[in-house]
Amino acid sequence: DAGVTQSPTHLIKTRGQQVTLRCSPKSGHDTVSWYQQALGQGPQFIFQYYEEEERQRGNFPDRFSGHQFPNYSSELNVNALLLGDSALYLCASSLVGGRYEQYFGPGTRLTVT
Amino acid sequence: AQSVAQPEDQVNVAEGNPLTVKCTYSVSGNPYLFWYVQYPNRGLQFLLKYITGDNLVKGSYGFEAEFNKSQTSFHLKKPSALVSDSALYFCAVRDGRGSTLGRLYFGRGTQLTVWP
Repeated sequence: DAGVTQSPTHLIKTRGQQVTLRCSPKSGHDTVSWYQQALGQGPQFIFQYYEEEERQRGNFPDRFSGHQFPNYSSELNVNALLLGDSALYLCASSLVGGRYEQYFGPGTRLTVT
Repeated sequence: AQSVAQPEDQVNVAEGNPLTVKCTYSVSGNPYLFWYVQYPNRGLQFLLKYITGDNLVKGSYGFEAEFNKSQTSFHLKKPSALVSDSALYFCAVRDGRGSTLGRLYFGRGTQLTVWP
C-alpha cells in the first residue's frame, strides 16, 4: 500500500523565483492538504483540495496556489519567493467519509536564498 | 478559534520510566484530537486519535493518550520509554463539526529525549 509521496525532496531557489511542489496521496484517499513547517514550529495549514477544488484555506497570501488533478494528486505553487518561504512543505492525504486522521508525506525542504 | 498548546518544549526521561507529553486545546464544539511523531528530516507519522468514546485511547508503539474534557487536555503517555521513542511530538486538533474535510491545528511540538 503506497503511502503519501512528495517530490522533489529538496529544492533551492532564489528570491523572486517560482516553485512547484508535487504530491501523490495515499492509495484510496481523495483529499490533499498542504502544510508549511518552518524551523522549530508546528505545521501551519495552507489549503485543502477535494474534488479538484480548494475547500479551505489558511492564512497564506495569494502567492500560494494549488491544484488537484483527476487522479487526486496535487501541486503547490509558490510565486515571487521570499526568504521567509524557506520551510518544510508537507502534503497530507485523507478520505472524505473516512477516519479523520491525515497521513503525511516526507515533505519537500525548500530553501530560498 | 481552534488552538493547541504544548507547554513543554523538551521532555527528558530515562529509558524504562513512564513518559508524559502534555497538550491542551481550545476548539469550538467537540474536539477531534490527534498525536503525531516526527523523526529528523521526516514527515509526520500518525500515532493515535480521540474522536468519541473512551477517554483513554491506545495507539501505535505502546503509546496512549487520555482525553480530559474538563481540563481541555489530551496528554500523551507511555508506561515504559524506549531510546527509540526520542523524536518530536505534535498534538493537533480540529473541531468535530462537519464532514471529514477539515484542517488540523498543530502545537509547536515537544522534543522527547529518552536516555539509556
